Amino acid sequence: EAGVVQSPRYKIIEKKQPVAFWCNPISGHNTLYWYRQNLGQGPELLIRYENEEAVDDSQLPKDRFSAERLKGVDSTLKIQPAELGDSAVYLCASSPGLYNEQFFGPGTRLTVL
Amino acid sequence: RKEVEQDPGPFNVPEGATVAFNCTYSNSASQSFFWYRQDCRKEPKLLMSVYSSGNEDGRFTAQLNRASQYISLLIRDSKLSDSATYLCVVNTGGKLIFGQGTTLQVKP
Repeated sequence: EAGVVQSPRYKIIEKKQPVAFWCNPISGHNTLYWYRQNLGQGPELLIRYENEEAVDDSQLPKDRFSAERLKGVDSTLKIQPAELGDSAVYLCASSPGLYNEQFFGPGTRLTVL
Repeated sequence: RKEVEQDPGPFNVPEGATVAFNCTYSNSASQSFFWYRQDCRKEPKLLMSVYSSGNEDGRFTAQLNRASQYISLLIRDSKLSDSATYLCVVNTGGKLIFGQGTTLQVKP
């Protein structure tokens, strides 16, 4: 069974540029999460989807971050414009339900110069 | 105060040693608890769930004390391959809160 797929794996951009990350969850997993992980810290939730509905986006910096999961399957996270402090690993995870194990993708390592 | 607190370490131990990690959480309404393992530059992966009755998986034992809001992980007979960061994770209302992680380095 394929795991959570993310692309790109690495991205280097200059500040003020836009960037987008893509995630395809495990088939059949209705719940999808985007996390940000800074060096030496645990992942922090940015947004959680139940199917196509964003049910928790309280931690998403909405002035520059946006996300969508239009058909309730794959999802895109966008940053526009990127700032130096956005350099981090962006992890996507999915689970079959709210209290089940979450499976993580390999992440996208973003460097903003 | 962080919602989930761990000693970041690093813990440097010789092969064969027993090592214990502790974690505290602040929200008494938290419903489920986990230990995840994260290797360097890799994604977190579930190591084991944690139950009030305590649970064991081979060399790994996890304990939960709801009254003290305290979670522990014990690793016996440490192997070189156990070197990683161990993340204490608490599920509150469907939201996973991760601790900072505790780094373990097992040396020959």
